Amino acid sequence: ETGVTQTPRHLVMGMTNKKSLKCEQHLGHNAMYWYKQSAKKPLELMFVYNFKEQTENNSVPSRFSPECPNSSHLFLHLHTLQPEDSALYLCASSRGDRTSGRGNEQFFGPGTRLTVL
Amino acid sequence: SQKIEQNSEALNIQEGKTATLTCNYTNYSPAYLQWYRQDPGRGPVFLLLIRENEKEKRKERLKVTFDTTLKQSLFHITASQPADSATYLCALPGSSNTGKLIFGQGTTLQVKP
Repeated sequence: ETGVTQTPRHLVMGMTNKKSLKCEQHLGHNAMYWYKQSAKKPLELMFVYNFKEQTENNSVPSRFSPECPNSSHLFLHLHTLQPEDSALYLCASSRGDRTSGRGNEQFFGPGTRLTVL
Repeated sequence: SQKIEQNSEALNIQEGKTATLTCNYTNYSPAYLQWYRQDPGRGPVFLLLIRENEKEKRKERLKVTFDTTLKQSLFHITASQPADSATYLCALPGSSNTGKLIFGQGTTLQVKP
């Protein structure tokens, strides 16, 4: 498989459930991102990982917990979510740069459509 | 923090015409600006990147301009086709050097045959 893949594509969960979203990139990139996209709102960056280290947490509530075991995989662990967390969750990757942001383009996965009941 | 404004109203044009989309930003001048296309239910797809020292960039029927004085980028699609119908997002780097991008809300383009 090529590019950025995300599983599951759709997820319905109750507020007391615990679930995880998975992202995998086959592009040899070193930076990975989680975004949230709600209806009529801009893409919202949640987390950034560069070379497996978290370099950005955009004030995300602790009910979202990211994990990056290696440069190819990124997880988003979900627990005790609220209905307002229902959204499209997008993963992206890019070449990454240890020294400065060179404007590397981001490659997005298809997203996970999450519904919290 | 950086704020990005894209026209939230949909742009409807006739096939064959040139579509022009606008991206305005309000704070610091970014080192570069990117444009993405997003189709419904899918992730965005990168189209073009333009750096602060470039006035214009072209790729096939696409043209992007970058005016750091006006704090504005224009995105043009010439000879538009119904297949160009999508939402177009502009994105600027965040103030940190983590690769963070800040996205505009996007402008939806509808090209009618």
